[in-house]
Amino acid sequence: GAGVSQSPSNKVTEKGKDVELRCDPISGHTALYWYRQSLGQGLEFLIYFQGNSAPDKSGLPSDRFSAERTGGSVSTLTIQRTQQEDSAVYLCASIDLAGVTDTQYFGPGTRLTVL
Amino acid sequence: AQTVTQSQPEMSVQEAETVTLSCTYDTSESDYYLFWYKQPPSRQMILVIRQEAYKQQNATENRFSVNFQKAAKSFSLKISDSQLGDAAMYFCAYRSAPGNTPLVFGKGTRLSVIA
Repeated sequence: GAGVSQSPSNKVTEKGKDVELRCDPISGHTALYWYRQSLGQGLEFLIYFQGNSAPDKSGLPSDRFSAERTGGSVSTLTIQRTQQEDSAVYLCASIDLAGVTDTQYFGPGTRLTVL
Repeated sequence: AQTVTQSQPEMSVQEAETVTLSCTYDTSESDYYLFWYKQPPSRQMILVIRQEAYKQQNATENRFSVNFQKAAKSFSLKISDSQLGDAAMYFCAYRSAPGNTPLVFGKGTRLSVIA
C-alpha cells in the first residue's frame, strides 16, 4: 500500500505567522511520531500518538508547538508565532505496533523555512 | 537518557569498495534495538538494517552488515561493493525495548561514493 505522506513538501513563512503541517500515516498503523531535523543535526523527537491514549508531548520544544491526530489517522502539527529557529525539516513516521516488525516508516518530510 | 554518537560527519568510498560507518551509544538498559537509516536527497528515511540487542549474531541485509559490540556499546555499519546509489546521509538510531518508544538518533554521516 501507500507509504507515509506529508504536505506541504516545502513551506516558506514569515516570522510570527502560524503554520500547519500534515501527515497521512500508512493505513492501519496504530502509532504516529513527529520528529524535527535541524540543519546538520539528527532527528529530534517531538510528539507521539498511539491509538486513543493521551499523546506523549515530552519532546515539544515550546508551547507554540501542538499536534493532534483525528480519527486515529491523519495528524496535524501546528506551530504558532513561528520563529527563525523553527526552520527545519519536520518528519512524520508511523508504525504498526501489532505487526510482525515494529519498524517506523517515515514520510518525505516538510521543509519549513521561516524568514 | 540514551545518546547516540556518530563521530564521522563525512566519509567517502570508491565505487565497489567497502566502507565502515561508526556509531556508539550510551544506555543503562539491557534490552533495546539499534537501527541504521539512510536518507538520500529526497529526504525519505529508509531503514537499512536493524539489530536486536539480545541477539549476538550480527544482522546482515545483502551488501549491508553490522558489527554489534554490546559490551563496548558500538554498532558500526559496513557497506560492501559500494554503489553510486549508496550516497546519502546515514543515521544510527537507538530505541528502548517497548515498541512504542521514540527513536534516538545520531547526527549522521554523509557518505559520498566516487565513481
